[in-house]
Amino acid sequence: DVKVTQSSRYLVKRTGEKVFLECVQDMDHENMFWYRQDPGLGLRLIYFSYDVKMKEKGDIPEGYSVSREKKERFSLILESASTNQTSMYLCASSLLSTRHEKLFFGSGTQLSVL
Amino acid sequence: KQEVTQIPAALSVPEGENLVLNCSFTDSAIYNLQWFRQDPGKGLTSLLLIQSSQREQTSGRLNASLDKSSGRSTLYIAASQPGDSATYLCAVSPDTGRRALTFGSGTRLQVQP
Repeated sequence: DVKVTQSSRYLVKRTGEKVFLECVQDMDHENMFWYRQDPGLGLRLIYFSYDVKMKEKGDIPEGYSVSREKKERFSLILESASTNQTSMYLCASSLLSTRHEKLFFGSGTQLSVL
Repeated sequence: KQEVTQIPAALSVPEGENLVLNCSFTDSAIYNLQWFRQDPGKGLTSLLLIQSSQREQTSGRLNASLDKSSGRSTLYIAASQPGDSATYLCAVSPDTGRRALTFGSGTRLQVQP
């Protein structure tokens, strides 16, 4: 089975801190995604990547950046954390680079910014 | 911009009932549609994927249908069980352009023993 691993289950950070959320997948998937999930707003796409060193902005990229130096790892960076970035962050991956196939999710990171 | 709507937002049924969850989308130019399950505080698990050329997919007690032209999909759960209690989300991928899914807000299902 595909495994998508997010490094932290829960994180508590202070306003202004730089925060790194790590995601690793073990099935050689080309596509990787970062979503945030908030009550009443559903899942919203932050960034995605379809190849190493490639990235594209999603619907809500402001305040975030990403890094994909290796195919299996996709990192989400909060340059200066703010309280409105308190959320559940979900990483996902899928196989094909040109068309969507089944999407596999990690267990999520619940981030609280105080 | 694609919008995905799921109705109802919450549903409570007694064990053993058959039930239908609804998903609608505004742009019919989709490549596929997926149904996911999410348990509280957890990530999403893909249940069924329907390609735009297909009408339905089945997995065990689950059956998902797709009417692309009318922008609708349904997830049918037969003989519901308490273990089916979760939030169910649908998501569509576009036929062209950006390679990312658009999600609905989900239907929270509770199956009463």
